[in-house]
Amino acid sequence: ETGVTQSPTHLIKTRGQQVTLRCSSQSGHNTVSWYQQALGQGPQFIFQYYREEENGRGNFPPRFSGLQFPNYSSELNVNALELDDSALYLCASSLIGRAITDTQYFGPGTRLTVL
Amino acid sequence: AQRVTQPEKLLSVFKGAPVELKCNYSYSGSPELFWYVQYSRQRLQLLLRHISRESIKGFTADLNKGETSFHLKKPFAQEEDSAMYYCALFETSGSRLTFGEGTQLTVNP
Repeated sequence: ETGVTQSPTHLIKTRGQQVTLRCSSQSGHNTVSWYQQALGQGPQFIFQYYREEENGRGNFPPRFSGLQFPNYSSELNVNALELDDSALYLCASSLIGRAITDTQYFGPGTRLTVL
Repeated sequence: AQRVTQPEKLLSVFKGAPVELKCNYSYSGSPELFWYVQYSRQRLQLLLRHISRESIKGFTADLNKGETSFHLKKPFAQEEDSAMYYCALFETSGSRLTFGEGTQLTVNP
């Protein structure tokens, strides 16, 4: 069984730039959720993708967008980067099936620094 | 809105002592609660979820709906338990986990 993987591990961007982060879900999972974890805080939900559509969104502006592909992998895109976007971005995969709630398994994260 | 509170940012105990990490929540629906753990330089991983009622690595947590709490307990702490612990609530309507801010547990020899 393959776990959740994320790329890249680290990324440095400047204000105003755009960034794409990638996530491969655990085998057998069909759902990907993205979280932002600022330093010293718990992860905050950005959005979830299920069957290639957004399936819930947290309190993040539209410049945070995503995609899910037929193989259930996912991308998180952030436009017009701001300094406050500097954080660890976590991807979690899960299986939505008969049980709406299933455990979310996390990847190692991508550390984004905006200068 | 749902909320998860972990009142202690830092908790330090000695090896062999009991440990309790506190978690309180506010949620209008029927809560599904989890504890996640992050060891140094490792990814966030599930420790336990209340509906499975399992005991993992000697840790247990009981959901108390009257007190809206889901405290994590272990009778005898070990040095390898030193880690960051997050309590999280699953909201079915938004398909999201809401996390507390975490408690850094240090178990001293």
